[in-house]
Amino acid sequence: EVQLVESGGGLVQPGGSLRLSCAASGFTVTSNYMSWVRQAPGKGLQWVSIIYSGGSTYYADSVKGRFTISRDTSKNTLYLQMNSLRSEDTALYYCARDRSTSHDAFDIWGQGTMVTVSS
Amino acid sequence: SFELTQPPSVSVSPGQTATITCSGDNLGNRYVNWYQQKPGQSPVLVIYQDNKRPSGLPERFSGSNSGNTATLTISGTQAMDEADYYCQAWDSTVVFGGGTKLTVL
Repeated sequence: EVQLVESGGGLVQPGGSLRLSCAASGFTVTSNYMSWVRQAPGKGLQWVSIIYSGGSTYYADSVKGRFTISRDTSKNTLYLQMNSLRSEDTALYYCARDRSTSHDAFDIWGQGTMVTVSS
Repeated sequence: SFELTQPPSVSVSPGQTATITCSGDNLGNRYVNWYQQKPGQSPVLVIYQDNKRPSGLPERFSGSNSGNTATLTISGTQAMDEADYYCQAWDSTVVFGGGTKLTVL
């Protein structure tokens, strides 16, 4: 079964760091583009970052320079390292699989992991 | 920057046709994808590349895209279709619409 399972969320103080993980099964994380998408409480979906199958990475302006997307092929896992966290980063973070190796649709989503930035 | 605009809410009676729009500059020149999100659940892809349905999705979901507007149409709307719907396209990055709450009443 194709599946994504996120972990690593929690409560962190402003300025702190957190690393999110997204374990993939049923496919390899390098075979598709992979993204992180977040949703603040009661709000809509906001794209955060993408890693292409070739390894190139891109970020939303709101997180550029603070967040880093990466992957571990041996663990078939996607990561999001989040530094210098702000209250506005509070959200449910989803990892999502692109249908292909092009700018396509997100066909598989994880269940999400909650990040709360508060003192 | 490229933006996608959706109506905040749409209401429909059971069995009727629901239409949710998504507007953006020359949107017809891009592929549009649609996602359904029910309370407490992750988004689910319902339409990709303007008008394609993932396997297993009911035929009552359809999509179109032309000019500046993409449209998600749900024919014979059922109570289970009540959810938030988001359109999405690619610019230099991924862009989501603000979402539309579909109420079936």
